[in-house]
Amino acid sequence: GAGVSQSPSNKVTEKGKDVELRCDPISGHTALYWYRQSLGQGLEFLIYFQGNSAPDKSGLPSDRFSAERTGGSVSTLTIQRTQQEDSAVYLCASARTRGNEQFFGPGTRLTVL
Amino acid sequence: GEDVEQSLFLSVREGDSSVINCTYTDSSSTYLYWYKQEPGAGLQLLTYIFSNMDMKQDQRLTVLLNKKDKHLSLRIADTQTGDSAIYFCAESLTGANNLFFGTGTRLTVIP
Repeated sequence: GAGVSQSPSNKVTEKGKDVELRCDPISGHTALYWYRQSLGQGLEFLIYFQGNSAPDKSGLPSDRFSAERTGGSVSTLTIQRTQQEDSAVYLCASARTRGNEQFFGPGTRLTVL
Repeated sequence: GEDVEQSLFLSVREGDSSVINCTYTDSSSTYLYWYKQEPGAGLQLLTYIFSNMDMKQDQRLTVLLNKKDKHLSLRIADTQTGDSAIYFCAESLTGANNLFFGTGTRLTVIP
């Protein structure tokens, strides 16, 4: 596709359920990033992939959060046993490689009831 | 960790200039960026400046960087209603993988 796409665009879930958020980066981009945007806060870095490896997971807030990337392309962010404080917009970005311009997807708005 | 700060709101009249400010704490920045976020959309890169520059102009946009004071600003000349959005400054640091973002400034342009 022409840009970074994310699905779903909106997700409402009940506390305690697991959710999966998907990111399709721009074709050929080796670097992929997940960020979280909470109300009134800036973007908080979660995890960085180079290819299928995640050399930097330092932003994941707890062990309920995990992510994987397959085929050097699609990435999935999984949140287990969701909590209300997980409610946020989750943004994915890709770049040709680390240090290059990051292109952002439209985000997934997650609401945990 | 790195702290990047912006004021939350700015209102201007259509046709006036807007100035959005950003301060940061870590001096090992390599590039500083301005992103625009419209409702329901991802972040769009507007412009960026290399950390050894002090000014960059791109059509209606002027970026000023005061490295001594760790202060970055974005000036939008002849602001239009289509400029209404949230503007984020962001910083890349030597050795860091991610960008560090400010809280965003919501710009409202009054017709």
